[in-house]
Amino acid sequence: GQQVMQIPQYQHVQEGEDFTTYCNSSTTLSNIQWYKQRPGGHPVFLVQLVKSGEVKKQKRLTFQFGEAKKNSSLHITATQTTDVGTYFCAGFSSNTGKLIFGQGTTLQVKP
Amino acid sequence: DTGVSQDPRHKITKRGQNVTFRCDPISEHNRLYWYRQTLGQGPEFLTYFQNEAQLEKSRLLSDRFSAERPKGSFSTLEIQRTEQGDSAMYLCASSLTWADTQYFGPGTRLTVL
Repeated sequence: GQQVMQIPQYQHVQEGEDFTTYCNSSTTLSNIQWYKQRPGGHPVFLVQLVKSGEVKKQKRLTFQFGEAKKNSSLHITATQTTDVGTYFCAGFSSNTGKLIFGQGTTLQVKP
Repeated sequence: DTGVSQDPRHKITKRGQNVTFRCDPISEHNRLYWYRQTLGQGPEFLTYFQNEAQLEKSRLLSDRFSAERPKGSFSTLEIQRTEQGDSAMYLCASSLTWADTQYFGPGTRLTVL
């Protein structure tokens, strides 16, 4: 079945350093969605990427969708303590009609 | 607040008891999803509805689990004869149509003693 893998599982950075998490799907996706979950909270939607090679920016966050629509990345420039949390990618396949989540990358930022 | 709401937020029960959770999706969202999330993992798909029709159930959903969305609005998830392995966060999400963004509710944290 469809699988979505995300690396790394954990990342500790010093405040001000950059951070990147990578997401890979076993199948071609219709779209990919990124969510952030704070400790004790629920997944909060960040962005949806639909087109091959699409890039979206939200302030210090840059999201990319691969040309083959099987991989994606989230890059945070100059991390802040407010960036702490777990970032999930979730791939949507039109074949299954379901959103499959990666395992998430937990970001810790040391002030 | 026009977001997805879930009730209760926390539920502690004894093994063998039945529990029921409720989800109210964003108004006019046709699709409603249930997920289960355990510590350190991403949400795992359980089932989803298109209006009142339940379209798919994951094999994770044993016969003890049942979900309904009788009028195509709110949904309930019932777990019968709870087991300790059922302890998890149960998340509900809704989307306008099939490929649209899914918006999550705050979840119901179930603890089975």
